[in-house]
Amino acid sequence: AQSVTQPDIHITVSEGASLELRCNYSYGATPYLFWYVQSPGQGLQLLLKYFSGDTLVQGIKGFEAEFKRSQSSFNLRKPSVHWSDAAEYFCAASDYKLSFGAGTTVTVRA
Amino acid sequence: NAGVTQTPKFRVLKTGQSMTLLCAQDMNHEYMYWYRQDPGMGLRLIHYSVGEGTTAKGEVPDGYNVSRLKKQNFLLGLESAAPSQTSVYFCASSSGRGAVGTDTQYFGPGTRLTVL
Repeated sequence: AQSVTQPDIHITVSEGASLELRCNYSYGATPYLFWYVQSPGQGLQLLLKYFSGDTLVQGIKGFEAEFKRSQSSFNLRKPSVHWSDAAEYFCAASDYKLSFGAGTTVTVRA
Repeated sequence: NAGVTQTPKFRVLKTGQSMTLLCAQDMNHEYMYWYRQDPGMGLRLIHYSVGEGTTAKGEVPDGYNVSRLKKQNFLLGLESAAPSQTSVYFCASSSGRGAVGTDTQYFGPGTRLTVL
């Protein structure tokens, strides 16, 4: 069955430190891949997406993600985290319907 | 542009009651979606629509009905609410320039529903 897995439920990171969120997918062929962010009490906002081409994708708010076909992964990274990055992050994949991972909650400590 | 709006923001129902959640978008999008979000499970697709007058089932459609009578509106109905339908409901829309589910989705702020 098709699935999206985010292995980390909760990550705590210091402000200014780097952040990496993991995402693995299980699909027959490479799906469309997305990262969304949800701030407390808000809807989801797209950070970036990958369809094809360059495997390093740049997004908004200083985020980037790297697609690795051999590992079926699409990990999200940010070099230096700001307090405003505290949120829940969802990886999603789609061949024709969007499937979401369970999410990773990011806490930023001062 | 208001984007995607949802009405109401909060609602408490008793088991067996019915209600309708309204989603409206002002971006002239073709596709619209209803999701539910439960702790530890991410978002799951309930129903979706690829155009006015069309609807289709998603991953968890049981207990819900939808209608898309106007392009800008997508209604989600619960005919007989159950405690298992306690959740946060999100509506989303997308342009429809690609296959359904493959283009960027724009989300509303959500409706928190509690069924007692």
